[in-house]
Amino acid sequence: GENVEQHPSTLSVQEGDSAVIKCTYSDSASNYFPWYKQELGKRPQLIIDIRSNVGEKKDQRIAVTLNKTAKHFSLHITETQPEDSAVYFCAAYISGAGSYQLTFGKGTKLSVIP
Amino acid sequence: DAGVTQSPTHLIKTRGQQVTLRCSPKSGHDTVSWYQQALGQGPQFIFQYYEEEERQRGNFPDRFSGHQFPNYSSELNVNALLLGDSALYLCASSLGLAGFRSAYEQYFGPGTRLTVT
Repeated sequence: GENVEQHPSTLSVQEGDSAVIKCTYSDSASNYFPWYKQELGKRPQLIIDIRSNVGEKKDQRIAVTLNKTAKHFSLHITETQPEDSAVYFCAAYISGAGSYQLTFGKGTKLSVIP
Repeated sequence: DAGVTQSPTHLIKTRGQQVTLRCSPKSGHDTVSWYQQALGQGPQFIFQYYEEEERQRGNFPDRFSGHQFPNYSSELNVNALLLGDSALYLCASSLGLAGFRSAYEQYFGPGTRLTVT
């Protein structure tokens, strides 16, 4: 089955700096890679995603890159703000045979220091 | 546009008991997936329901079972509760199965916090 490794487990940055979170996956059949943000006591919220036929995707201050050969993908947050503080989860998705399954990483706790 | 809803919000049960958790998908969605999130961990896939059938299952014992109703809502049942079943149970909804853009995007409910004592 799929295995997703996420690093680092905790990350502290100064407000305005950039944050990078990296994930690797094991199954080369994975073809969709979403990122979720989970604030304390709240539900995971989809913030950005990327399909396997795309190498990079950007949405304002958030970008995701995918390297299919190396089987890793990364989340980049620029100009970080205190409200970016949360736990971020990467996930990998295998689809096929009429069904699909999301496998999550263990999460990165991001703290943005004002 | 109603989002994903879950009930109850919190639940306390004793070892050996049985529990039923409920989920209503986002308006327009027909597929429901259930996840278990232990403290400090990422969500772990339990199973997924589409067209009232279990379509895929993660690495969870048969004590975990589910159901989907004609209106697409779903229930998660856990029998013979163990202390290790204490977790946040998340429901996520999506539209359709693999092969369509929208099928990939899953939207989560607020979760049910289950505590087993």
